[in-house]
Formats: sequence, structure tokens, C-alpha cells
Amino acid sequence: AQKITQTQPGMFVQEKEAVTLDCTYDTSDPSYGLFWYKQPSSGEMIFLIYQGSYDQQNATEGRYSLNFQKARKSANLVISASQLGDSAMYFCAMSLQSGGYQKVTFGTGTKLQVIP
Amino acid sequence: EAQVTQNPRYLITVTGKKLTVTCSQNMNHEYMSWYRQDPGLGLRQIYYSMNVEVTDKGDVPEGYKVSRKEKRNFPLILESPSPNQTSLYFCASSPYGRSPDPRLFFGSGTQLSVL
Repeated sequence: AQKITQTQPGMFVQEKEAVTLDCTYDTSDPSYGLFWYKQPSSGEMIFLIYQGSYDQQNATEGRYSLNFQKARKSANLVISASQLGDSAMYFCAMSLQSGGYQKVTFGTGTKLQVIP
Repeated sequence: EAQVTQNPRYLITVTGKKLTVTCSQNMNHEYMSWYRQDPGLGLRQIYYSMNVEVTDKGDVPEGYKVSRKEKRNFPLILESPSPNQTSLYFCASSPYGRSPDPRLFFGSGTQLSVL
């Protein structure tokens, strides 16, 4: 069974500094996708970044990058130059597409607070 | 505008009173799913559907029902709600195999309180 682990319940970062949110995953399937979503206090789920298991390069989207280390089964999110608006809950998720179905599993989340 | 529409946004009900949370998407996505979010537990999948008339259980299906009679709609039904179903619920859809980027598109969420 697949599993996503986020070991940091909460983190603080100084404004303009970079921060890394940890995510490890477990699956025996060779084909999978890894996502990060942001959930601000307003509650909506905002897609940030996606990495396919066969992608050779780490995904980047503006200030977000995904540090994908396949052998270690980790998919850490790096936010560069943190802004006050980055304060939110962040969820790592894994998607498996196999045998005609898609299974998506989420981690428990990391609450990031950006300090002025 | 491409979106997943979920209603209602807030719902307070009493134990045992049947309720339905609606979910509709306008992106022609095959895949739709329901999640519940609880503090410290993240999002857990309740049910998902790969296409019309094809549904399957997720990780926490007990006490819930779904149906997929049309591609765009995927309602969540609580036949006899109990207080432990008090939670924040999200509906989501994705293009599944038609896209190399199968991200989930989420509705705005339904905060349900069962008294």
C-alpha cells in the first residue's frame, strides 16, 4: 500500500529566506506522480507543483521547486524567498495510476508560518 | 471558467438526518473523488470514480455513499450522519489518463457539523 509521510507538523521561516518541507513516500509501483498542494487559512486547496516518477529533472514552478530523490523516496518542497502569503498548510500527495484506476494518497500536512 | 463546484459550503445537521453534498465539474474529467480532512490526519479518500457508473471505495468509505450517473456530477450521500462524520469535505476531479499531469482540481470544500 502506498504511504506519504510528512514529519514536520509545523515550521517557522523568516521572510525572504528559503525553506524546505519534507516528504517521503512509499510505493512499489514504478509509475507514480508526486504533488504539493497549499491550503491557506481560507481553506481552498491550491496546486503548487507536480513531479512524475520518470521525469529526469526536478520540477520547478516559480519560487517552488521539488527536490526529487528517487532512491531515497523523497519529494521535498523548496520555497525560495518566503513571503508572508506563504503562511499556510502544505500537503504532499502521491498518485498511482494502475490497472485502470487512480489512487491518490495525502500526507498529514506541514503548517508553515512566515515571520516578518 | 474551469471549476469544481461543491455545495453547500457550510452545513449543520443532526444525527440521523440524511444529507447530500453535491459536486459538479465542467472540465469533462473522467476521475472524481471525495476526501475528508481532519486535524492531524490530512486528507483521506472516501470514494472515487473512474467514469460514469464506475465507483470504488477509498480508505474511509464507512457511512458514505456515492453515485456517478453523469460524468459531471458526483454527489456524496450520508444516509444517517453521526457526529464522527463532522469534518471538512472536498470533492476533486482530474483528467486521469488523458493528461501527463494528472493533478487534482478541488472544490471549495464543505464544512459539515453533525450534532
